[in-house]
Amino acid sequence: KAGVTQTPRYLIKTRGQQVTLSCSPISGHRSVSWYQQTPGQGLQFLFEYFSETQRNKGNFPGRFSGRQFSNSRSEMNVSTLELGDSALYLCASSLYHQSATNEKLFFGSGTQLSVL
Amino acid sequence: AQSVAQPEDQVNVAEGNPLTVKCTYSVSGNPYLFWYVQYPNRGLQFLLKYITGDNLVKGSYGFEAEFNKSQTSFHLKKPSALVSDSALYFCAVRDKSGGSYIPTFGRGTSLIVHP
Repeated sequence: KAGVTQTPRYLIKTRGQQVTLSCSPISGHRSVSWYQQTPGQGLQFLFEYFSETQRNKGNFPGRFSGRQFSNSRSEMNVSTLELGDSALYLCASSLYHQSATNEKLFFGSGTQLSVL
Repeated sequence: AQSVAQPEDQVNVAEGNPLTVKCTYSVSGNPYLFWYVQYPNRGLQFLLKYITGDNLVKGSYGFEAEFNKSQTSFHLKKPSALVSDSALYFCAVRDKSGGSYIPTFGRGTSLIVHP
């Protein structure tokens, strides 16, 4: 079974631009969560999608948005990029939404975003 | 509110020696607790979790963790470290009784195992 796939692996953007990151969950998994990882802050929760609906959202500005498609693939968009958005963005999938279960998360390898 | 602390940014241990990576947590009710490991240029991989029952939880790659309710701790342990265990380790907590059902992760502890 293929794991969680994130594309692209690396991205370099300049301030003010926008970016879209993609995540394909494990086959059959319907929940996709996004996290931002930085050396100083560790993992910060962005949002969770389940069955094309946003279930929960972390404490990030509205420039960060996402969506989920009917095949459970998810995209995350960041508009008007700032230098502080440079981070590793991780996607994680699970069978059910996290309020319904205590199961583990399966993470992708992440997209390393650098904002210049 | 729930929170988790990993008090050590880095842990150094010699190969063959036992290792401990510390984690303490705070939740309103009872916790679900998790350990994940991240190897360079990879995503996080699940190691083990505590849900209920036996306080000693065994996980992947020979790791185990001990849940201590009175000390609100969930330290990760391994009897004999390998160089290949060198990685970044994350502890995560989630409150069983509701609130935010999204797990909160610690900042991570870098484990370095010296040959």
